Amino acid sequence: AQSVAQPEDQVNVAEGNPLTVKCTYSVSGNPYLFWYVQYPNRGLQFLLKYITGDNLVKGSYGFEAEFNKSQTSFHLKKPSALVSDSALYFCAVRDSESTLTFGKGTMLLVSP
Amino acid sequence: NAGVTQTPKFQVLKTGQSMTLQCAQDMNHNSMYWYRQDPGMGLRLIYYSASEGTTDKGEVPNGYNVSRLNKREFSLRLESAAPSQTSVYFCASSLGRQGTEAFFGQGTRLTVV
Repeated sequence: AQSVAQPEDQVNVAEGNPLTVKCTYSVSGNPYLFWYVQYPNRGLQFLLKYITGDNLVKGSYGFEAEFNKSQTSFHLKKPSALVSDSALYFCAVRDSESTLTFGKGTMLLVSP
Repeated sequence: NAGVTQTPKFQVLKTGQSMTLQCAQDMNHNSMYWYRQDPGMGLRLIYYSASEGTTDKGEVPNGYNVSRLNKREFSLRLESAAPSQTSVYFCASSLGRQGTEAFFGQGTRLTVV
């Protein structure tokens, strides 16, 4: 069975500093990895995905993620955080099945 | 584009009442999903439909039924609501191929008293 772990319930960072939100996964076969963001009282919005190819994936709003096969990780990063980046972030994985499995989410708080 | 539309946005039910959550997508997607979101639990899959005419159980199907009415619509029914079903429900759709992302509706906040 596939699974996703987001080891941090909350990440705090000052505006302008780099941020990292961690994600590790377990899946049989090739992983398809996704990051979503959820703002209060809203649905999930797709940020970026890894299918194959370059290990560094760039997505919306200046976010990027690094796929590391040996560490089974897919950490979300941004070089310079904004207060408006404060939200709930979800990592998700899919394998050969058609379902998407989500982590429990990490709350990102960016302080001015 | 409307994307994925869910109705209603809010609902309060009494224990034992039934209701149907509606979901429609206009992206010609093959696969549709119902998730529930609870604090500290992330999103858990209730049911999914890989393609029109098929439905399968997810991680937490007990107490729910689904209908894939056509390619656009996928409804979730609570036959006899229980307080444990108080949650935020999200419908999502995707092309269904392995590397394609899912698109989510705005959610339905359900309270069962």
